[in-house]
Amino acid sequence: NAGVTQTPKFRILKIGQSMTLQCAQDMNHNYMYWYRQDPGMGLKLIYYSVGAGITDKGEVPNGYNVSRSTTEDFPLRLELAAPSQTSVYFCASSYSTRGVYNEQFFGPGTRLTVL
Amino acid sequence: TQLLEQSPQFLSIQEGENLTVYCNSSSVFSSLQWYRQEPGEGPVLLVTVVTGGEVKKLKRLTFQFGDARKDSSLHITAAQPGDTGLYLCAGVRGYGNKLVFGAGTILRVKS
Repeated sequence: NAGVTQTPKFRILKIGQSMTLQCAQDMNHNYMYWYRQDPGMGLKLIYYSVGAGITDKGEVPNGYNVSRSTTEDFPLRLELAAPSQTSVYFCASSYSTRGVYNEQFFGPGTRLTVL
Repeated sequence: TQLLEQSPQFLSIQEGENLTVYCNSSSVFSSLQWYRQEPGEGPVLLVTVVTGGEVKKLKRLTFQFGDARKDSSLHITAAQPGDTGLYLCAGVRGYGNKLVFGAGTILRVKS
C-alpha cells in the first residue's frame, strides 16, 4: 500500500494563478481531510469529506474548493492564488464511523509558495 | 486564538534530561492525540487518550489526559537526540472526527 500520496511536492505560483493539489489514498478510507500548516504553527483544517460526494468546510475554507467523486481521491483547488496561501498542505485519511475515532494517516505534504 | 494552547513553544535540552510538554484548552474533547512531525514529513500519531485521567506509556514517553478531558501532558524521560522534532497535540471533535491542533512544541535534544 502506498498510503496517502500527494502531488506535487513543491510548487511556485504567481498571484492570481490557479492550481489543483492532488491527494489519493489506497486504504479504502471513507474520511479524508485537507490541512494547511504555516511556519511555527499547527495544522488548520481547510475542508473534509466523510464519503464520496460529501464535503464540508473546516476552519479556514476561504479561497479553496474541493470535490470527492471517488473514495480514493480528494483534490484541493485554489482558484485565485494569494500570498496568504503560501503554506504546506497536508492531506489525511481515516476509516471512521459515527462516534468512533480512528487514526488519521497523513501524506508527505505539498509546499506551495505564492509570489 | 488557538483552541489548544501548547507550552513551551520551544525546548532545547541535553541528552538524558527529562521534559514535559503541556496542552491546555477551555473546551472538552472526545479524545486527544499527540503527534510527532519531522521536517518535510506529515505528522505521525504517537498516542490517543480517551478517558479522563487516563495515562498511557510508550517506552520513555508518558501521556496523561486531564480528568475533565480539557488538557493533556507529554513527559519524556531521559531524552535522546532521536526525540528531536515537532510535537503536536490535537483534539478530536464533532461530526467528521475533525482534529483541532495546537501550535506545537519544537524539541531539540543535544548530544
